[in-house]
Amino acid sequence: ELKVEQNPLFLSMQEGKNYTIYCNYSTTSDRLYWYRQDPGKSLESLFVLLSNGAVKQEGRLMASLDTKARLSTLHITAAVHDLSATYFCAVDPYFGNEKLTFGTGTRLTIIP
Amino acid sequence: DSGVTQTPKHLITATGQRVTLRCSPRSGDLSVYWYQQSLDQGLQFLIQYYNGEERAKGNILERFSAQQFPDLHSELNLSSLELGDSALYFCASSDPRSFEQYFGPGTRLTVT
Repeated sequence: ELKVEQNPLFLSMQEGKNYTIYCNYSTTSDRLYWYRQDPGKSLESLFVLLSNGAVKQEGRLMASLDTKARLSTLHITAAVHDLSATYFCAVDPYFGNEKLTFGTGTRLTIIP
Repeated sequence: DSGVTQTPKHLITATGQRVTLRCSPRSGDLSVYWYQQSLDQGLQFLIQYYNGEERAKGNILERFSAQQFPDLHSELNLSSLELGDSALYFCASSDPRSFEQYFGPGTRLTVT
């Protein structure tokens, strides 16, 4: 059974600091997703990483994928309060099937 | 706004009852996915339909069923409801070119 683990589960960080969220998964996959969820809201797609070594950046967020290590990272640069949310990674282990297995989520709180 | 619509937004019902959740995918998307989000289980994939046909099944209970209609909208039927079925139910549709899954606003089901 595919397992997707995120750490940390909770993260409080000060504005202006950098930090990284880690996503490990237990089976081979070339497709990894990052989503953001605000409290009581839906999931917003941030990144889709489709191959080993893929790196994508949007604003203060950068995601990367290492399929050999079965690891993805979401790096936050110079955090601002608006980035407070829960971040999920999800893995599609069956290429073309798109049956996503989600991690537990990382609740990020940015403190002024 | 992802372009995926779901109705109703909220649903309160009693144990033993049956409810139907409705989802319309983004224009042009053929795949519809159903997910359940609860505090106990996190985000779980339930079932996927592609152009009217069931394509993948996840941790969907036998009391739950789904279908996708010729106009591509989908319905998730939940019967013999139990307290533990209380959750947020999301529908998503996917862009076959980018592999992104776009989530609807969700239906919050409360079983009392």
